[in-house]
Amino acid sequence: GQQVMQIPQYQHVQEGEDFTTYCNSSTTLSNIQWYKQRPGGHPVFLIQLVKSGEVKKQKRLTFQFGEAKKNSSLHITATQTTDVGTYFCAGRSSNFGNEKLTFGTGTRLTIIP
Amino acid sequence: DTGVSQNPRHKITKRGQNVTFRCDPISEHNRLYWYRQTLGQGPEFLTYFQNEAQLEKSRLLSDRFSAERPKGSFSTLEIQRTEQGDSAMYLCASSPPAGYEQYFGPGTRLTVT
Repeated sequence: GQQVMQIPQYQHVQEGEDFTTYCNSSTTLSNIQWYKQRPGGHPVFLIQLVKSGEVKKQKRLTFQFGEAKKNSSLHITATQTTDVGTYFCAGRSSNFGNEKLTFGTGTRLTIIP
Repeated sequence: DTGVSQNPRHKITKRGQNVTFRCDPISEHNRLYWYRQTLGQGPEFLTYFQNEAQLEKSRLLSDRFSAERPKGSFSTLEIQRTEQGDSAMYLCASSPPAGYEQYFGPGTRLTVT
């Protein structure tokens, strides 16, 4: 079955440093979504990427979808304490007839003030 | 509050008992999803409804698990003859008809003793 892996599993950074998490799928994806889950909270949707090589930015967050549509990354510039949480990628394997999202293993970000 | 709601928030049960969880999606969201999340892992897809029709079920959803969405609004997830391995957070999410993002509820934490 489809597997989605993320690295690193944990990342501790000083406030103000950059952070990147990488997502790799065992199969080609039709689209990929990113979610953030704060400690004790539920996943919150951040963004969806659909096109091969697509890059989207949200303020300090930059999301990329690989050319082969099997990998993705999330980069945060100049982290802040509000960025603390676990970041999950979640992929769909086809556009039609398959609503299943396969979530990655997540990267837990902690910030050292 | 117009977000996804789930009840109960916590459930402690003895092994072998049946439990039922309820999810109320955001009004007018026609798609509803159930996930299971264990500590340190991403959400695992269980099942998906479009309106009242259950369109996808994971192999994780054994014959002890059943989900319904009788009128296309709220949904219930029942686990029969609970086992200790069923202990997890059960998350519900919903999506609007023309959207792709999933809005998650706060979850029901199940502990089987």
